[in-house]
Amino acid sequence: DAKTTQPPSMDCAEGRAANLPCNHSTISGNEYVYWYRQIHSQGPQYIIHGLKNNETNEMASLIITEDRKSSTLILPHATLRDTAVYYCIVFRQIIQGAQKLVFGQGTRLTINP
Amino acid sequence: SQTIHQWPATLVQPVGSPLSLECTVEGTSNPNLYWYRQAAGRGLQLLFYSVGIGQISSEVPQNLSASRPQDRQFILSSKKLLLSDSGFYLCAWSILGMTQYFGPGTRLLVL
Repeated sequence: DAKTTQPPSMDCAEGRAANLPCNHSTISGNEYVYWYRQIHSQGPQYIIHGLKNNETNEMASLIITEDRKSSTLILPHATLRDTAVYYCIVFRQIIQGAQKLVFGQGTRLTINP
Repeated sequence: SQTIHQWPATLVQPVGSPLSLECTVEGTSNPNLYWYRQAAGRGLQLLFYSVGIGQISSEVPQNLSASRPQDRQFILSSKKLLLSDSGFYLCAWSILGMTQYFGPGTRLLVL
């Protein structure tokens, strides 16, 4: 599975959009981009995923570049509760067997009042 | 909707004591189940996964074991805990090899 690179930390003001970048220059054509976050002392929470097209759900938006070598997770109106470590992962969905997620160090996002 | 439970939430055990952590999933059938461990300040490490009842695959050699006695139940065990077993244990489920959803975790401290 492709490796990802994320900044170790970011700050954002409450109410502003938080834009978290992720580089995955070695991504393969059938690998999805996934985002999870982990709030302190909790299990990772699934946020969103995509293959080629931009995606949006109730939590966030995912923007994937045309060459798929990088992506940005956007939290449109960040709140204090969005303070967490955000993980960008790429992996290939499979029909049979189990998929092993590899979480790197992620980006520690701090939302400031 | 699907939910995943883990218990206990926190556990303090002496070195050499046994361990049993339980994970159950509701609202789905025949899920893939996973055990991960997160040591302090580090990323997640996959320990075991299961694609069906009685089917366990181990990712790393250690003194832990896993069992899946029922379709939606996954158990992590040890006969004798080591200090290095301390960490945050997370159970996850997925349908086939798709999106994985994590439980709340069990924080284990071995003294």
